[in-house]
Amino acid sequence: GAGVSQSPSNKVTEKGKDVELRCDPISGHTALYWYRQSLGQGLEFLIYFQGNSAPDKSGLPSDRFSAERTGGSVSTLTIQRTQQEDSAVYLCASSLASVTGEQFFGPGTRLTVL
Amino acid sequence: AQTVTQSQPEMSVQEAETVTLSCTYDTSENNYYLFWYKQPPSRQMILVIRQEAYKQQNATENRFSVNFQKAAKSFSLKISDSQLGDTAMYFCAFLSNFGNEKLTFGTGTRLTIIP
Repeated sequence: GAGVSQSPSNKVTEKGKDVELRCDPISGHTALYWYRQSLGQGLEFLIYFQGNSAPDKSGLPSDRFSAERTGGSVSTLTIQRTQQEDSAVYLCASSLASVTGEQFFGPGTRLTVL
Repeated sequence: AQTVTQSQPEMSVQEAETVTLSCTYDTSENNYYLFWYKQPPSRQMILVIRQEAYKQQNATENRFSVNFQKAAKSFSLKISDSQLGDTAMYFCAFLSNFGNEKLTFGTGTRLTIIP
């Protein structure tokens, strides 16, 4: 079946503009995660959705970042008033609510803030 | 909080040789999962191998195997008969056993296979 998809693949924006990044998880996966990968760094957790539970937002770096997941499927990560330090690759992953623990990743969105 | 350390930012090896990537972690938990993910230039993160902490036997997937030392909190990845397609960033990651929690990643090792 189809894997995790993300759009756009690349996004260039000007400082101060808002951006929306989209993630389509694997069908049937109840858990969805957003991570950020800055140049030369590992992946940094941002936010986690599990079913209808309240999301774990503990990784969001500032109140300019928000995310929602509609209908338990598609998720949108929104960054308001973008700053140059927001430039990174944003990766989305999904998983089943099972004990295997495997997360399946999308190809990411490369965000460049000029 | 858990931490994952990869002390080798870059490595290179001749094609067909064996290479070992190091990973150490810190946790107070007894049950957890450890992973090695591969990230080629396409950016797609691909699971290479998984180890459950309660299993003493080291995981193996074809040319990939791990050396899991629970007491030492060490989780190294061995790639045998390396191939050009193995060139990628490799990330070690930790996952708590308490439900579908977030992965904690190391900073990665850039592996280059030399033809």
